[in-house]
Amino acid sequence: QKEVEQDPGPLSVPEGAIVSLNCTYSNSAFQYFMWYRQYSRKGPELLMYTYSSGNKEDGRFTAQVDKSSKYISLFIRDSQPSDSATYLCAMSAGRGSTLGRLYFGRGTQLTVWP
Amino acid sequence: DSGVTQTPKHLITATGQRVTLRCSPRSGDLSVYWYQQSLDQGLQFLIQYYNGEERAKGNILERFSAQQFPDLHSELNLSSLELGDSALYFCASSARGDSLANTGELFFGEGSRLTVL
Repeated sequence: QKEVEQDPGPLSVPEGAIVSLNCTYSNSAFQYFMWYRQYSRKGPELLMYTYSSGNKEDGRFTAQVDKSSKYISLFIRDSQPSDSATYLCAMSAGRGSTLGRLYFGRGTQLTVWP
Repeated sequence: DSGVTQTPKHLITATGQRVTLRCSPRSGDLSVYWYQQSLDQGLQFLIQYYNGEERAKGNILERFSAQQFPDLHSELNLSSLELGDSALYFCASSARGDSLANTGELFFGEGSRLTVL
């Protein structure tokens, strides 16, 4: 079993839809939870960052972490064609400079059609 | 543009050969990370360097090695290449310093696509 599981999709939705992306994990030591977005032929870029459990909102994006269930989610409201990308969840148990040792899900490919 | 530069962007080589991938981190970033992205495994952590020293090691094969130089650029050496080594290799650097204030944000380069024939 991989430490981080993510449904690869693909997911295709109409513009304006609410998108829900999810990951589960098995390592209870994970404390830092991230969502990265990766456009085709580009490197991943950080979208959302959450420490421990709870919700975090940034514009149209909301990240949720439920450590008791080992489950994280990313919601995208009013989705736009420009949101079409692969979304990767990532987690870390480290501190300081080793925070960067991230465990990634395999990514969910999202297409938002106009 | 993340500020992380990787060369070459594309590389095609034969089995048994050796290649070197190069990474220049963002200005001032002390940590460099190497990740491998393949279709079947996703993004896998290989190795981390912090200010010239190896800090953490992941699923890096013995045929692979890396180093970080005094000017903070890093190189990933892949030797005795096999077909299965074909992948995207990403370098990333993290925010300045080494403190708990580090949000863990990694800045990724655009990757080096390696094809082994």
